[in-house]
Amino acid sequence: QVQLVQSGAEVKKPGASVKVSCKASGYTFTSYGISWVRQAPGQGLEWMGWISAYNGNTNYAQKLQGRVTMTTDTSTSTAYMELRSLRSDDTAVYYCARDSGVNWGQGTLVTVSS
Amino acid sequence: DIQMTQSPSSLSASVGDRVTITCQASQDISNYLNWYQQKPGKAPKLLIYDASNLETGVPSRFSGSGSGTDFTFTISSLQPEDIATYYCQQYDNLPPRLAFGQGTKLEIK
Repeated sequence: QVQLVQSGAEVKKPGASVKVSCKASGYTFTSYGISWVRQAPGQGLEWMGWISAYNGNTNYAQKLQGRVTMTTDTSTSTAYMELRSLRSDDTAVYYCARDSGVNWGQGTLVTVSS
Repeated sequence: DIQMTQSPSSLSASVGDRVTITCQASQDISNYLNWYQQKPGKAPKLLIYDASNLETGVPSRFSGSGSGTDFTFTISSLQPEDIATYYCQQYDNLPPRLAFGQGTKLEIK
């Protein structure tokens, strides 16, 4: 069955960077894209961007342009999301999802605090 | 960018009630709309795809309808396990992007 397994929780200081991984299994990794979605505490879902696992093409949410980078490693069927210059309002659970959201990872809590 | 307006933001209903949530897109999105259920501490779960198609394994009391700009999600007979927050989501393929409604928190009366 399709599984997306994400890396563990992170605590970062303001200004630092975080890199979250998402390891896929149960399907042909390069046949689908990966979306990244985050959810601040008590808030709704916010789309961050998408990456093609086939050719690495990306499309980022405008508000995160310049701070976010999404990559994939097809040899390990793993997608990565790096967010830089972290602020307190980046504190959220970060999810990866296959394409538009048929399957989701379990989420990774990123806490930004001094 | 396409904006999704979902209502109501919260809803209280009794077991057995029919529950309806609406979602309006700021422009025509055809049927490129999904509905998700999210329980506390869990990832969203796809219930309805392409506006009206029931995802495999999802109970038939869940349904969706609509196209263009106006969409409806219905639970025909509310069950206690349906307590959750529900989101509509629009998706584009060129370029790939998603947009979520604000969510509807469903509670038992």
